[in-house]
Amino acid sequence: KQEVTQIPAALSVPEGENLVLNCSFTDSAIYNLQWFRQDPGKGLTSLLLIQSSQREQTSGRLNASLDKSSGRSTLYIAASQPGDSATYLCAATSGSRLTFGEGTQLTVNP
Amino acid sequence: DTAVSQTPKYLVTQMGNDKSIKCEQNLGHDTMYWYKQDSKKFLKIMFSYNNKELIINETVPNRFSPKSPDKAHLNLHINSLELGDSAVYFCASSQWTSGPSYNEQFFGPGTRLTVL
Repeated sequence: KQEVTQIPAALSVPEGENLVLNCSFTDSAIYNLQWFRQDPGKGLTSLLLIQSSQREQTSGRLNASLDKSSGRSTLYIAASQPGDSATYLCAATSGSRLTFGEGTQLTVNP
Repeated sequence: DTAVSQTPKYLVTQMGNDKSIKCEQNLGHDTMYWYKQDSKKFLKIMFSYNNKELIINETVPNRFSPKSPDKAHLNLHINSLELGDSAVYFCASSQWTSGPSYNEQFFGPGTRLTVL
């Protein structure tokens, strides 16, 4: 059974800082890994999807990496802004299901 | 032009009632899902339908019954609501036949269910 863990649970940084969010998964037989953003009281917005054959994906200031063999993914956010404040969730696709981590709550202070 | 929509956005009801949540996607996807997000914000899959056929049915009380009238709709009906059913329910969709590596899921805005 796939288990996904995210560290840290919460992170507070000053504006402009670069930061890394971590995600680990127990079953390396994944098809892909997705990073989502969730704003308070809102739905999930897909940020990046890394296929199992890929090592990283980039979108603007976001870069996600995947190391299947070690069961790890990171989300790098460059030059953080207050608008980046949200909960970030990673989710691994195994078989036909997506298993979520518990999320990292990010606060970027002006 | 909302991709995945859910109605209602908020649902407040008494214990013992029966209620339904509707979900529609206009992305042309072949697979739809229901997730539950509890008070600790943990998201867990409940059901998945591919081309109107049930493919995932997690350990969910049989008071919860999904219904897929067509590929674009997946509704969730809940009988005899209990206090513990209070949560946010999310619908999602993806194109499974593109291949599992490309199976990016898109989520609706959620339905906040409160059982009194």
